[in-house]
Amino acid sequence: GENVEQHPSTLSVQEGDSAVIKCTYSDSASNYFPWYKQELGKRPQLIIDIRSNVGEKKDQRIAVTLNKTAKHFSLHITETQPEDSAVYFCAASKGNYQLIWGAGTKLIIKP
Amino acid sequence: DTAVSQTPKYLVTQMGNDKSIKCEQNLGHDTMYWYKQDSKKFLKIMFSYNNKELIINETVPNRFSPKSPDKAHLNLHINSLELGDSAVYFCASSPPGRLTDTQYFGPGTRLTVL
Repeated sequence: GENVEQHPSTLSVQEGDSAVIKCTYSDSASNYFPWYKQELGKRPQLIIDIRSNVGEKKDQRIAVTLNKTAKHFSLHITETQPEDSAVYFCAASKGNYQLIWGAGTKLIIKP
Repeated sequence: DTAVSQTPKYLVTQMGNDKSIKCEQNLGHDTMYWYKQDSKKFLKIMFSYNNKELIINETVPNRFSPKSPDKAHLNLHINSLELGDSAVYFCASSPPGRLTDTQYFGPGTRLTVL
């Protein structure tokens, strides 16, 4: 069945450095790719998303890139700060209603 | 903000009991979801309703039964609770439209089965 693989499962970076999280998907019909951030004890919240007609999208320190041919997309966070510490989930659409989720990446920002 | 709300926030109960979790959204969305998040943090879709109609029903024990009395509510009833049901359950909703869209999550219900 359709799946989304997310790497790495844990990422530790020095404050101020960049962080990159990568996802690959299997369903070539997927056309919507959101990224969610979940802080400890909180709900997942959308931080950025991209549709298949766009290759890159940026919002301040956060950017997402999409390579439809290779079926992978990535989250880039620049100038990381302590408040970026969280679990990040990628997802890919399946049909009109469903998202297939990655397993999550725990991002640790070292002071 | 209480765009998607769930009650209760915490639920501690004994094995074998029956319990319900309620979810309400005031965003005017057509589609609502239930997810289970276990201790490893994986988000597993359980059910989805669109305009009160069941559209996603993943491989979930039939002890779990969703009910959608109207578009703004999606409740989850669990019979004969087991230890493995302990998890955080999230409700979510997404806007109407032909394209898959952002899902807005509730605060979660932490269920502990003893």
